[in-house]
Amino acid sequence: GQNIDQPTEMTATEGAIVQINCTYQTSGFNGLFWYQQHAGEAPTFLSYNVLDGLEEKGRFSSFLSRSKGYSYLLLKELQMKDSASYLCAVRDKRSNYQLIWGAGTKLIIKP
Amino acid sequence: EAGVAQSPRYKIIEKRQSVAFWCNPISGHATLYWYQQILGQGPKLLIQFQNNGVVDDSQLPKDRFSAERLKGVDSTLKIQPAKLEDSAVYLCASSSTVQYFGPGTRLTVT
Repeated sequence: GQNIDQPTEMTATEGAIVQINCTYQTSGFNGLFWYQQHAGEAPTFLSYNVLDGLEEKGRFSSFLSRSKGYSYLLLKELQMKDSASYLCAVRDKRSNYQLIWGAGTKLIIKP
Repeated sequence: EAGVAQSPRYKIIEKRQSVAFWCNPISGHATLYWYQQILGQGPKLLIQFQNNGVVDDSQLPKDRFSAERLKGVDSTLKIQPAKLEDSAVYLCASSSTVQYFGPGTRLTVT
């Protein structure tokens, strides 16, 4: 079957680094996406991994290991505005290339 | 480049009433999605269009929900009659490789 797991909530301190993990099970893996969603707003695209390794984009990086069914989103130099939910989603080529979504990780940043 | 447009942003209706949501995708995006999102959960796919054809509507409650995408551009999602459990945010997204979301419609059914 298809399954996406990520922690429900994490807390971190302003200026620090936090890693949000995501594990997945799918038979038709075709890429992994991370989205940021502030309260009351729509998800916004952060990153896309289709090959193993690390993709860096400013303060945010995303890592993928297809053999382990594992990804993480790394946020550096945390700012208060990074307080949001972070959604992991896997594209499944056996399901019309739809995104299978995790429930999201609520990240709380403390001063 | 203009993003995905949705309207209305907020809607409050009584149960058993009807409601319609509108979506205009990013220009050139052939694939359009409607999602329902309940607080604390990931988006739940309701229907996927490719141009003006339905690819997947297996999770659309067809006894009360309907959607169309005439001419392969704009789309409307309708609920009739609404139930209390339909209170949620309704998101429209369009994609080439990456899905981009509109601002969503927050529906409250009382």
